[in-house]
Amino acid sequence: DVKVTQSSRYLVKRTGEKVFLECVQDMDHENMFWYRQDPGLGLRLIYFSYDVKMKEKGDIPEGYSVSREKKERFSLILESASTNQTSMYLCATQWGGRANTEAFFGQGTRLTVV
Amino acid sequence: DAKTTQPPSMDCAEGRAANLPCNHSTISGNEYVYWYRQIHSQGPQYIIHGLKNNETNEMASLIITEDRKSSTLILPHATLRDTAVYYCIVGNAGGTSYGKLTFGQGTILTVHP
Repeated sequence: DVKVTQSSRYLVKRTGEKVFLECVQDMDHENMFWYRQDPGLGLRLIYFSYDVKMKEKGDIPEGYSVSREKKERFSLILESASTNQTSMYLCATQWGGRANTEAFFGQGTRLTVV
Repeated sequence: DAKTTQPPSMDCAEGRAANLPCNHSTISGNEYVYWYRQIHSQGPQYIIHGLKNNETNEMASLIITEDRKSSTLILPHATLRDTAVYYCIVGNAGGTSYGKLTFGQGTILTVHP
């Protein structure tokens, strides 16, 4: 089974802090995604990556950056956390070798910025 | 990507079939229909996907109309553990090696005893 592990289940950070959310997968998937989920807004794509050192902006990239130095790890970075970034963050992976394969999600990180 | 329309909520009795509808009238020829579900406080879980033909796996069946403008996810014998938000997504992962998923609001399915 695919395992997608997010480094923290719950996180509390202060406004202005630099925050790193880590996602690690063990299935050699090429594609990795970061979403945030908010009540009434559903899941929204922040960034995705289809290869090491490659990244593409999603629908709401402002205030975020990402890093993919190794295939199995995709990091989401909040350069200066703000209260409006309080949310559930979800990482997902997908095999890139064939189109139309399913995505596998981690358990999520609930981030609170105070 | 085509947008989807789902009812906001549905109820189902335990042991009965749950039929979750989805409208995707603007779907294009190379777009697939995907279904995911999200149980409270967990990440979304893939259920099934299809292009034109009906599909079945160990979790569910997917019925796609001939004109492909709507589909129905069928959970044949719903259990209390099937209570979740169900998302119908239409996406095009063909032609590129990555599939960006656009999630809507989904249908909250409540299975009751």
